[in-house]
Amino acid sequence: DQQVKQNSPSLSVQEGRISILNCDYTNSMFDYFLWYKKYPAEGPTFLISISSIKDKNEDGRFTVFLNKSAKHLSLHIVPSQPGDSAVYFCAASGGNQGGKLIFGQGTELSVKP
Amino acid sequence: DSGVTQTPKHLITATGQRVTLRCSPRSGDLSVYWYQQSLDQGLQFLIHYYNGEERAKGNILERFSAQQFPDLHSELNLSSLELGDSALYFCASSVGGVAGGDNEQFFGPGTRLTVL
Repeated sequence: DQQVKQNSPSLSVQEGRISILNCDYTNSMFDYFLWYKKYPAEGPTFLISISSIKDKNEDGRFTVFLNKSAKHLSLHIVPSQPGDSAVYFCAASGGNQGGKLIFGQGTELSVKP
Repeated sequence: DSGVTQTPKHLITATGQRVTLRCSPRSGDLSVYWYQQSLDQGLQFLIHYYNGEERAKGNILERFSAQQFPDLHSELNLSSLELGDSALYFCASSVGGVAGGDNEQFFGPGTRLTVL
């Protein structure tokens, strides 16, 4: 049972444009959501998070939007840079999950110069 | 550098063998989590320890076990290894025992296990 889904395995964007990565979840008990970025041969790096009491959180070029009614979150990167090319994972926690994170399958973002 | 260290970086072994993966959390972090990433898979939660006590278990095989020591480092033991155990094993640490607020998990570089 895939509780967190990232339906797009890959995304290609031109440098300077907006990148939008999407994530859907099924467990309405999740109350905390995170995005991680992963380069090859490295561990995931925390990017940005959002609590379920908010619908938006912004940090520099990165903004996460949460739509609880649709059980959907998205990560916007504006403007996109070649260094943003990586695999992006969304993750969720909360409810009876304790501290563990439930990850999506990841979306590979490629930002072309 | 997340501050989480994992050793070894790579491990190649044969089926039926036993290995131990080691993780040292960030200074001050009490929680250690273990995740497995198989080929083309997302990260799957294995187990969570908080200040030496097991807090939660995921779909961890009975052949796998873990512990967190008084100095807060953790070891993941994998025994009777099978080909399908080949994967990246990540350790993460956080300050508290539940997610939310400032309790983000910080990941180590991983151990790549290859079972031949």
